[in-house]
Formats: sequence, structure tokens, C-alpha cells
Amino acid sequence: AQTVTQSQPEMSVQEAETVTLSCTYDTSESDYYLFWYKQPPSRQMILVIRQEAYKQQNATENRFSVNFQKAAKSFSLKISDSQLGDAAMYFCAYRTTSGTYKYIFGTGTRLKVLA
Amino acid sequence: NAGVTQTPKFRILKIGQSMTLQCAQDMNHNYMYWYRQDPGMGLKLIYYSVGAGITDKGEVPNGYNVSRSTTEDFPLRLELAAPSQTSVYFCASSGSSSGNTIYFGEGSWLTVV
Repeated sequence: AQTVTQSQPEMSVQEAETVTLSCTYDTSESDYYLFWYKQPPSRQMILVIRQEAYKQQNATENRFSVNFQKAAKSFSLKISDSQLGDAAMYFCAYRTTSGTYKYIFGTGTRLKVLA
Repeated sequence: NAGVTQTPKFRILKIGQSMTLQCAQDMNHNYMYWYRQDPGMGLKLIYYSVGAGITDKGEVPNGYNVSRSTTEDFPLRLELAAPSQTSVYFCASSGSSSGNTIYFGEGSWLTVV
């Protein structure tokens, strides 16, 4: 069965600095999707970035980028020029392209941004 | 763009009462999901559906029921509410039309007293 692991329960970063959140996953599939979601105190789940496994190029969205290492089954999120509004829980998620179409979420990393 | 709409946003139930959380999506997604999130925890899948008329259990289905009579709607029924069901409930949907990205509603905060 697929699993997603976020080994950092909590991280802190100074405003304007860069931080990297880690995510590893376990799968025997060759094609799948990976996602990072942000959950601010309002609890709304907001898509941050998305990666398709067949694409070697790392996805980027403005200040957010990923380091996708398929062989190592690693999918880390880098936040550049951190802002106070980046403070939130961040969840890594996996979805296979076949089978039951369920999404598997990690346990989350709480990011604190220090002024 | 409405996306995924959940109602109600907040509800207080007494032990033993029943209620239905409504969920509707307007993205023509085949797949719909119900998750719960307890304080400080991650998401746990309650039920999911791969299309109208087809539903299946997730990790924590006990105490809940679902139905999917249309593509758009996926209500979650809580039977005989218990304090352990105090949680935030998220409805979500996904489909090929949105690149198989899962989109969430804003959540329903349920307290059972």
C-alpha cells in the first residue's frame, strides 16, 4: 500500500528567508500525481503545487517550487522569500493514476514564520 | 466559480441526534470524497465515490453513511452522533477535467455535546 511520510511536525523560518519541507512516499507505481496543500488557520485546504511523476521538470508556482526525486521517492517543497501569510499546516499528498483514485495524505508540517 | 460547496459550516449536535452534511460540486467531477480532520491531526477518509450510484468505505466509515444519486451531490449522514464525531468535515472532488487535482470545500465544523 502507498504511504506518505512528512517527518517534520513543525518548522520555523524567518520572514524573507527560504525553507524546505520534506515529504517521502512509498509506491510501486510508475505513474502518479503528487501535491502540496496549504491549510491556514481557517482550515481551508488550498492547492499550492502539483507534480506529475512522468514529468522530470520540477514544478514551480511563484515563490513555491518542488524538488522531485523519483528514484528516491522524495517530493520536498521549497518556499522562497517567506511571508507571514505562509504560516500554515502543509500537507503532502499522493494519488495513483490507476486503481481506486484515492488520495493519500501525510500527517502535515506546521510552518511558523517569524517576523 | 463555486467549486465544492458544503453546508452547514457550523453545527452543534446533541449525543444521539442525526444529521446530514450536504456537499455539491459544479466541476462535473466523477470522484467525490468525505474526510474528517480532528484537532491537530491529518485527514482521514470516511467514504468516497467514483461515480453516481457507486460508493465505498474509507479508513473510518463507522457511524456514517453516504449516497450518490447524482454526479453533483454527495451527502454524508451521521447517525446517532457521539462525542468522538466532533471534528471538521471536508468534502472534496476530483476529475480529469481538473487534471486529477483534488479540490476541497471550506469544511463543516461539527461539535457533539
